[in-house]
Amino acid sequence: IAGITQAPTSQILAAGRRMTLRCTQDMRHNAMYWYRQDLGLGLRLIHYSNTAGTTGKGEVPDGYSVSRANTDDFPLTLASAVPSQTSVYFCASSDGDTQYFGPGTRLTVL
Amino acid sequence: GESVGLHLPTLSVQEGDNSIINCAYSNSASDYFIWYKQESGKGPQFIIDIRSNMDKRQGQRVTVLLNKTVKHLSLQIAATQPGDSAVYFCAENTGFQKLVFGTGTRLLVSP
Repeated sequence: IAGITQAPTSQILAAGRRMTLRCTQDMRHNAMYWYRQDLGLGLRLIHYSNTAGTTGKGEVPDGYSVSRANTDDFPLTLASAVPSQTSVYFCASSDGDTQYFGPGTRLTVL
Repeated sequence: GESVGLHLPTLSVQEGDNSIINCAYSNSASDYFIWYKQESGKGPQFIIDIRSNMDKRQGQRVTVLLNKTVKHLSLQIAATQPGDSAVYFCAENTGFQKLVFGTGTRLLVSP
């Protein structure tokens, strides 16, 4: 059972470049989420999707977009990366109340 | 804007001691709470949860206590082991499956 996978594991990106972080779950959960975690802080919600075909904005959505074409995949796109988007990004999925997290993507924007 | 790193509260205990990690939550309407454990370089891992109609729930070596009057949550770990060393986050469900996370507490267990 893979659970949630994220790719890439880490990435160094030049400012202004476009980047898509991938997230796939094999648990058939309806809801999926993207968080960012900055040094010493808890997780902050970027975007979420309650079911395939729908998405919503979280606490810090600016500069990010998501899509949910199917149940399993929930990619996060940075259209034009900026240094303040340097962070660790976690994808999560939920079967109701409890959210289960992927291993994260460490992104550095220079 | 830029995120500023905060110094995480740290709890240092000896192996075999009991640990208590505390969390204050903000929304009196929150009806579901979760504790997560995050080891270095990994994603948060579910430990235990509790609904607002309960004030205590026990798992294997862990107990969560909920005091709705003062909006306080605690995680008790019995017989703490070096493998328990991690950052622990509480999270509250503010509705529609949205979780709000605390900033975390670092638990350091010395052998």
